[in-house]
Amino acid sequence: GAGVSQSPSNKVTEKGKDVELRCDPISGHTALYWYRQSLGQGLEFLIYFQGNSAPDKSGLPSDRFSAERTGGSVSTLTIQRTQQEDSAVYLCASSPGSEQYFGPGTRLTVT
Amino acid sequence: AQSVTQLDSHVSVSEGTPVLLRCNYSSSYSPSLFWYVQHPNKGLQLLLKYTSAATLVKGINGFEAEFKKSETSFHLTKPSAHMSDAAEYFCVVSDLTGKLIFGQGTELSVKP
Repeated sequence: GAGVSQSPSNKVTEKGKDVELRCDPISGHTALYWYRQSLGQGLEFLIYFQGNSAPDKSGLPSDRFSAERTGGSVSTLTIQRTQQEDSAVYLCASSPGSEQYFGPGTRLTVT
Repeated sequence: AQSVTQLDSHVSVSEGTPVLLRCNYSSSYSPSLFWYVQHPNKGLQLLLKYTSAATLVKGINGFEAEFKKSETSFHLTKPSAHMSDAAEYFCVVSDLTGKLIFGQGTELSVKP
């Protein structure tokens, strides 16, 4: 079946602009996670959605980052007033239980 | 708090020889442990997982890992490396909410 999809695959933006990254999880998976992969920091957790519960935002690096998940399915990660240190690959994963299945990621470059 | 340490940032083997990628973990409770692989410009793929059943876990592509509580280790092995195994490998532990905590990764090179 279809895996996790993310769009766009690549995004180049100017410093100070807002960006939106989209994640379509595997159908039926109740949990959705966002991670960031960067050269200096490795892979780090950002935010977690589980069903209708309030999201766990403990990994968001600043208040410029936010995310929502509509209808328990598609999720959007928004970064406001982008900075150069936001350049990274943003990965989304969905899970039916213990293991997580990752999308291909969105490579964000802030110039 | 949970954490993982991958003991080698880079491992190089010859095709057909065994692979050993080392991982130590720290956890205040019985952990769920995973190995993921990432090929260049590709997404993360789950190789195998340990969730307190058998201590020897078999994964895809001939990989396996053994959970050793006394050594707090979860090393990844494969009897015979293939060129297609060249990639970056991540040892991962999950916390009670399911959040994944990644090691720094081990880059595996396979020489012909």
